[in-house]
Amino acid sequence: AQSVTQPDIHITVSEGASLELRCNYSYGATPYLFWYVQSPGQGLQLLLKYFSGDTLVQGIKGFEAEFKRSQSSFNLRKPSVHWSDAAEYFCAVGAGDTGGFKTIFGAGTRLFVKA
Amino acid sequence: GAVVSQHPSRVICKSGTSVKIECRSLDFQATTMFWYRQFPKKSLMLMATSNEGSKATYEQGVEKDKFLINHASLTLSTLTVTSAHPEDSSFYICSARPRSYEQYFGPGTRLTVT
Repeated sequence: AQSVTQPDIHITVSEGASLELRCNYSYGATPYLFWYVQSPGQGLQLLLKYFSGDTLVQGIKGFEAEFKRSQSSFNLRKPSVHWSDAAEYFCAVGAGDTGGFKTIFGAGTRLFVKA
Repeated sequence: GAVVSQHPSRVICKSGTSVKIECRSLDFQATTMFWYRQFPKKSLMLMATSNEGSKATYEQGVEKDKFLINHASLTLSTLTVTSAHPEDSSFYICSARPRSYEQYFGPGTRLTVT
């Protein structure tokens, strides 16, 4: 069965500093990979997705992620963090099984941004 | 485009009563909708997959008689929490899928059972 691991429960970065959020997945084939952001009490917003092709994908709000098959990773990066980026970030894997196509979420990483 | 709404956004009910949450895809048709539950500071847990016109598929450990799901049209799915108890208090999020591999999420419904 597919699974997603986000090893960092929370991360604190200074405003203007670079950011990398880690994500590892487990799945037998090439999965569909997603990063979502959730502000407190809100739903999820899709930042970016990887289905196939170029392993470096660009998303909204200046985020990018790189799919590395050899490491089963899909880390999220941003070169310069803004205070408004403080939120919860979820990595997710979409894959099909006998129950149909599902999206499974990692535990999330909470990002704190300090001035 | 691809907007999903949920109603209500917040609901407080008494223990033993039932609560219905609606999920609507506003500008697209969704053959599949998903219901998730999120505990405080936790990830989203898939509860069930709902296909229009057929019975929902529940994840292991989710009580189908307690969480009734109806997907009566291509734009509406409902989740009814029956005989709610305080442990059912949670943030419920739906999502809708217009194409094969993309999902769009609703803003969530905060349920508090007193």
